[in-house]
Parts: sequence; C-alpha cells; structure tokens
Amino acid sequence: SQQGEEDPQALSIQEGENATMNCSYKTSINNLQWYRQNSGRGLVHLILIRSNEREKHSGRLRVTLDTSKKSSSLLITASRAADTASYFCATDRGSQGNLIFGKGTKLSVKP
Amino acid sequence: DAGVIQSPRHEVTEMGQEVTLRCKPISGHNSLFWYRQTMMRGLELLIYFNNNVPIDDSGMPEDRFSAKMPNASFSTLKIQPSEPRDSAVYFCASSRTASGAYEQYFGPGTRLTVT
Repeated sequence: SQQGEEDPQALSIQEGENATMNCSYKTSINNLQWYRQNSGRGLVHLILIRSNEREKHSGRLRVTLDTSKKSSSLLITASRAADTASYFCATDRGSQGNLIFGKGTKLSVKP
Repeated sequence: DAGVIQSPRHEVTEMGQEVTLRCKPISGHNSLFWYRQTMMRGLELLIYFNNNVPIDDSGMPEDRFSAKMPNASFSTLKIQPSEPRDSAVYFCASSRTASGAYEQYFGPGTRLTVT
C-alpha cells in the first residue's frame, strides 16, 4: 500500500532555478527519507529526517517535515542539469523495519 | 566497497521459464530487501530479510515468487514459472539493519523482460 505520495508527478525547470517537491503520507512515522534515481539506475539516498526534526540541510538540499500535516518537502536550490532525475520520499511505519516509497517526482532541469 | 551487486543486469526469457535473480549485499549489512519497479505500480517491496531470516514477504505477488538468503552475502529471487506481467526492474537493497533510521543502498537492478 502506498504511504508516501509525491507532488507534482513531473516538474520541468531551467538551470539555476529552485525545485520544490512535496510528499504526503498517511500514518505516523519515525523517519522520512528522500532518494534520487537517475534513469536506468538504482535509488541513491539523499537525506533522512526524523519525526522530531523540522528541517534539515545537506549542500543544496533542504528538507522540511511537518508531522501535523503529515507532509515533507524537498527543495533543491540553484538546480543543475545533473539534478535531472526522479525523486522519491520513503517513510517507515512505526516499528516496521521496511520503508514505503512513493511513486516519485520526475524532475527535468533544462540547461 | 563495491556496493550492492546484482546479476544479471538484463534478462529476457519466455513465458513459463524459470528466472533466478541474484544479489550480493554490502558486507556488514544485516538487512536485505527485494523491490520491483514498474511504471504502473512504482517501487514495491517484495520481501525483506534481517540476519538472513525472512521478516515480511507480504509483498510477494504469488506462489510463483520465492526468495532465499542462505548466508549473509547472497540472496536469490526466483520466479517459476515466469509470466509477461512479471516484466519489471527488480532491485536489491541492503542496510545496516531493518529500520527506517538507516539508509538503504540499492543495487543497479535487473531488467526482466518476459515474452
């Protein structure tokens, strides 16, 4: 069953612009993770945010978490053509050990 | 570290044939996950192991699918008999432990085509 749902499904921007992707989930979580997938490749972990954190930064990435709204956002600042990929949020389910992935946002950054 | 290794990278087979996908997790990781990715259904967890023991196989579509982890460094996902609707990319991932607090490391995937 789908836990995380990303929005929008697809996003096209120009190089240098910021890209914002959103993730909503249904049940309470302990952690939320964001992954990137380049075409034809496996997923690569970007950042993890815990339920007691509200914001986290990693380089050009900024993730926010609002547990009251059951939502998270991933902001990529000053985007580059190399950021073109699909981005997925993944949530755990309390004591469950596995992650549930959303269907992803396909980001296209045009040079 | 070589990362998660999967083989084969591509597999084309005819309906009814047996397919075996292989995975070598990162050394020292205690948890291994098998996923299937399609355009229609996205990334689905099929099964995961913790310390070589299957913990949750509720995502395995049907009895045609089976997975084993005979030791900490090897796992297989078998489909017998295969059907065209099994065509997908199958990913193996490993992590230190089966917890949402740890990142998962994905292999490059096996693209399976069943004709």
